Amino acid sequence: GAGVSQSPSNKVTEKGKDVELRCDPISGHTALYWYRQSLGQGLEFLIYFQGNSAPDKSGLPSDRFSAERTGGSVSTLTIQRTQQEDSAVYLCASSLEGVVSPLHFGNGTRLTVT
Amino acid sequence: AQSVTQLDSQVPVFEEAPVELRCNYSSSVSVYLFWYVQYPNQGLQLLLKYLSGSTLVKGINGFEAEFNKSQTSFHLRKPSVHISDTAEYFCAVSDGGSNYKLTFGKGTLLTVNP
Repeated sequence: GAGVSQSPSNKVTEKGKDVELRCDPISGHTALYWYRQSLGQGLEFLIYFQGNSAPDKSGLPSDRFSAERTGGSVSTLTIQRTQQEDSAVYLCASSLEGVVSPLHFGNGTRLTVT
Repeated sequence: AQSVTQLDSQVPVFEEAPVELRCNYSSSVSVYLFWYVQYPNQGLQLLLKYLSGSTLVKGINGFEAEFNKSQTSFHLRKPSVHISDTAEYFCAVSDGGSNYKLTFGKGTLLTVNP
């Protein structure tokens, strides 16, 4: 079956613009994660969705970042008023049930803020 | 909060040599431990995991890892590597009481040379 799909694969934007990143998880996976991968910095947790429960937003770096998950499926990560330090690869992952099930990662969206 | 230290950012080895990638974590309470691998131009995938039970866990492609609670370590090993093992390897930890929040290390780039 299809894996986790992310779009766009690459996004170049000017500083100050808003961007939306999309994630289509594997069908039936109730858990969905967003991570940020910067060069040499590993993966930074951003936000977690589990079913209909309130998301854990504790990793969002500022109030310019927000995410939603509609109908328990597709998720959108929005960054408002982008800054150069937002440049990174944004990874989405889904799993059947939290971390005890394997996380399936998408190929990411590479965001470059000029 | 959990933290994960991968002591080596890069490990070059020759084909058929043994390899050990080191990982230490901060918390001494009950934990879940994972190794994820990212092959060139691919998404991350689960290599192996420790949830409970035997401290020696085996994963895909001949890799294994040993959970050492007293040393808070979870080192990854393979007795004989192949060119195809060239990839970035990430150690990750989750508090046993939390089924969803994974903290990743910064990664170790394993390069296998002929």
